[in-house]
Amino acid sequence: EAGVAQSPRYKIIEKRQSVAFWCNPISGHATLYWYQQILGQGPKLLIQFQNNGVVDDSQLPKDRFSAERLKGVDSTLKIQPAKLEDSAVYLCASSLGWDPGGGETQYFGPGTRLLVL
Amino acid sequence: KNEVEQSPQNLTAQEGEFITINCSYSVGISALHWLQQHPGGGIVSLFMLSSGKKKHGRLIATINIQEKHSSLHITASHPRDSAVYICAFWEGAQKLVFGQGTRLTINP
Repeated sequence: EAGVAQSPRYKIIEKRQSVAFWCNPISGHATLYWYQQILGQGPKLLIQFQNNGVVDDSQLPKDRFSAERLKGVDSTLKIQPAKLEDSAVYLCASSLGWDPGGGETQYFGPGTRLLVL
Repeated sequence: KNEVEQSPQNLTAQEGEFITINCSYSVGISALHWLQQHPGGGIVSLFMLSSGKKKHGRLIATINIQEKHSSLHITASHPRDSAVYICAFWEGAQKLVFGQGTRLTINP
């Protein structure tokens, strides 16, 4: 079974530029997550999709970050314009469904390492 | 106060040593994950547990729901175990809250 795919693996941009990340979840997984992991910290959820609908985007900085999952399969996360503090690893994860009781296992992609200069 | 605290933050040990990483949390939870993150960012889910103990190979995870505490143990540690180990729990039904991680280095 193929895992969660992400691209690019690395990206270096200058502040105020735009950047986009792509994620392809495990086939059949309805739920997709984007996390931001700043060096030395645990991942922080940015946005959660259930199929093509947004379940939680409360921690997404909506003035500069946007994400979509138009067909309920792969997803893109965009930052426009980027700031220095956006330097982080952006992790995509997927799970089969969404357990109302919590505890659905998430499968993580390798991440995209972003450096903003 | 953070909702989840891990200790130690950094741990260096010699190959073969018994390793313990602790995770304490301040809210009631239904399930807790232990995750392993290797250099380069990839995260692997090791365990998901809601009570008692689980064992997988040389890894053992325990949880005490009443005391709000979980531990991850590694027996006969090996340099390939070097990674960041993260505990995470579900906040409600939707959000996975992560600890800051414990960086483990096993020297040969």
